[in-house]
Amino acid sequence: ETGVTQSPTHLIKTRGQQVTLRCSSQSGHNTVSWYQQALGQGPQFIFQYYREEENGRGNFPPRFSGLQFPNYSSELNVNALELDDSALYLCASSWGTGGIQETQYFGPGTRLLVL
Amino acid sequence: AQSVSQHNHHVILSEAASLELGCNYSYGGTVNLFWYVQYPGQHLQLLLKYFSGDPLVKGIKGFEAEFIKSKFSFNLRKPSVQWSDTAEYFCAVNKINAGNMLTFGGGTRLMVKP
Repeated sequence: ETGVTQSPTHLIKTRGQQVTLRCSSQSGHNTVSWYQQALGQGPQFIFQYYREEENGRGNFPPRFSGLQFPNYSSELNVNALELDDSALYLCASSWGTGGIQETQYFGPGTRLLVL
Repeated sequence: AQSVSQHNHHVILSEAASLELGCNYSYGGTVNLFWYVQYPGQHLQLLLKYFSGDPLVKGIKGFEAEFIKSKFSFNLRKPSVQWSDTAEYFCAVNKINAGNMLTFGGGTRLMVKP
């Protein structure tokens, strides 16, 4: 069974740039959720994708967007990067039916630094 | 808005000491409850979870947690910690039938001295 994988592991960008982060879900899972973990804090929910559509969103601006592909992998895109976007971005996969989801399993994260 | 509070930000224990980490949440409806652990240099791993049934749940590595609905609490316990338990511990909650958005506490950083 393959776990959740994310790429890249580290990334450095400058303010105003755009970034794309990638996630491959654990085999057998159909749902991907993205979280932002700032230094010294718990993860905060960004959004979730189920059946290639957004299935819930946290308190993040529209410049945070995502995609889910037919193989259940996912991308997180952030436009117009700000310094406060520097964080560890976590992807989690789970099995569910949209409204009811099972346990989420996390990937190792992508550490983004915005200069 | 739903929130999750972990009262202890840093805990330092000696090996063999007992551990209890507090977690309280604010949501009044039905919830699923989780404890995740992040060992140094590793990713978040599920320690244990409560969905329904016996409110005392056992997880990996000798950890357990008790769900007390009347207190909105889900405290994590271990009778005797080891140096290898040094990690950051996160409590998380999600509301039933409201998708799978996990709300995390701020984390408790545990250091176990050998």
